[in-house]
Amino acid sequence: NAGVTQTPKFQVLKTGQSMTLQCAQDMNHEYMSWYRQDPGMGLRLIHYSVGAGITDQGEVPNGYNVSRSTTEDFPLRLLSAAPSQTSVYFCASSYVRHAYEQYFGPGTRLTVT
Amino acid sequence: GQQVMQIPQYQHVQEGEDFTTYCNSSTTLSNIQWYKQRPGGHPVFLIQLVKSGEVKKQKRLTFQFGEAKKNSSLHITATQTTDVGTYFCAGVTTSGTYKYIFGTGTRLKVLA
Repeated sequence: NAGVTQTPKFQVLKTGQSMTLQCAQDMNHEYMSWYRQDPGMGLRLIHYSVGAGITDQGEVPNGYNVSRSTTEDFPLRLLSAAPSQTSVYFCASSYVRHAYEQYFGPGTRLTVT
Repeated sequence: GQQVMQIPQYQHVQEGEDFTTYCNSSTTLSNIQWYKQRPGGHPVFLIQLVKSGEVKKQKRLTFQFGEAKKNSSLHITATQTTDVGTYFCAGVTTSGTYKYIFGTGTRLKVLA
């Protein structure tokens, strides 16, 4: 099992550009989520999904879109990048019916100039 | 809004000393999880607590969930250099949802 994979590892964008951060898991987890991590702020939930076709907003959803067309994939789209979106982005997944242990991907470090 | 605070923000200890981090929520939690993140790494699950007053141990780590289910603590006995990292708590504030609110984290440095 690869677990949770994220691509790219690093990305630099100019203000106004759009891009998609990829996240995939091979554990057949129903629950997937996106967090951003900023110094001193901990991890903040952006969007989450409890199954294919179902998504919901977290604490900081503005400027981000998600979709969940398959169980395995949960891409995060930045519509028009802003410097405030400079952060490290983590994707996580877990079973819904069990202990909710979340497995995190290695992260994507995004810089918006 | 819902908040989960952790104290202290930073802690430096001498190897062999004990360490405790506290997690406090503004609302009642359905359950609480603890994660460890090594520098440059990703969060790794340590444990989950569900019941009021629950205490769990993992070797030198002791986890507690408060009676009111609004606070939790992680205690490490006799720290080692391998304990270095940031410790996060994460709570679900409403049963049946999956909106995890993470605490701000406590960064632990262990001096050899």
